[in-house]
Amino acid sequence: DTGVSQDPRHKITKRGQNVTFRCDPISEHNRLYWYRQTLGQGPEFLTYFQNEAQLEKSRLLSDRFSAERPKGSFSTLEIQRTEQGDSAMYLCASSSRLGSYEQYFGPGTRLTVT
Amino acid sequence: DQQVKQNSPSLSVQEGRISILNCDYTNSMFDYFLWYKKYPAEGPTFLISISSIKDKNEDGRFTVFLNKSAKHLSLHIVPSQPGDSAVYFCAAGTDKLIFGTGTRLQVFP
Repeated sequence: DTGVSQDPRHKITKRGQNVTFRCDPISEHNRLYWYRQTLGQGPEFLTYFQNEAQLEKSRLLSDRFSAERPKGSFSTLEIQRTEQGDSAMYLCASSSRLGSYEQYFGPGTRLTVT
Repeated sequence: DQQVKQNSPSLSVQEGRISILNCDYTNSMFDYFLWYKKYPAEGPTFLISISSIKDKNEDGRFTVFLNKSAKHLSLHIVPSQPGDSAVYFCAAGTDKLIFGTGTRLQVFP
């Protein structure tokens, strides 16, 4: 049983650079979510997909952020022109809409912008 | 506007006793509520959930209670074990989840 996987686990980048994270959900799950967590806070919702359709985006997701799920399987989250305030743990979760609403999280990608 | 609140940042409980973690919410439209456990540098691990149409759900040592009139949710862990020491988040949602800020539980021998 493979859970949600995320790559990379850690990313250090300089301010102004672009970064891309990947998430592979549990194989039979059709919903995929992105959250961001900073120190002392709970995860905050960024966006989610049902299959390949992006259904909702948070106002936290500025125009520097873009997420895709091109074939309804894995997803990517790209941050352009990174800022120090983007430093956080980026979490991916997946769920199956059919009779279950529990979301299962991956290990996260820790982003540090210097 | 914080829709889900965990007012106790920390809780310390002796091994074998009951741990009670509390959560309050403001949005009566939430369909379901969940509790997650989190260790440092890891993603949250799902523990237990409850639908808004129920008032109790039990799974082994974990029981979640929902009081809709008070907009209050609690997680009971009985008996508490040292391995339960972690940060616990409550979450509520319809599609996306809204998380509280977490309660750090420490279970001591």
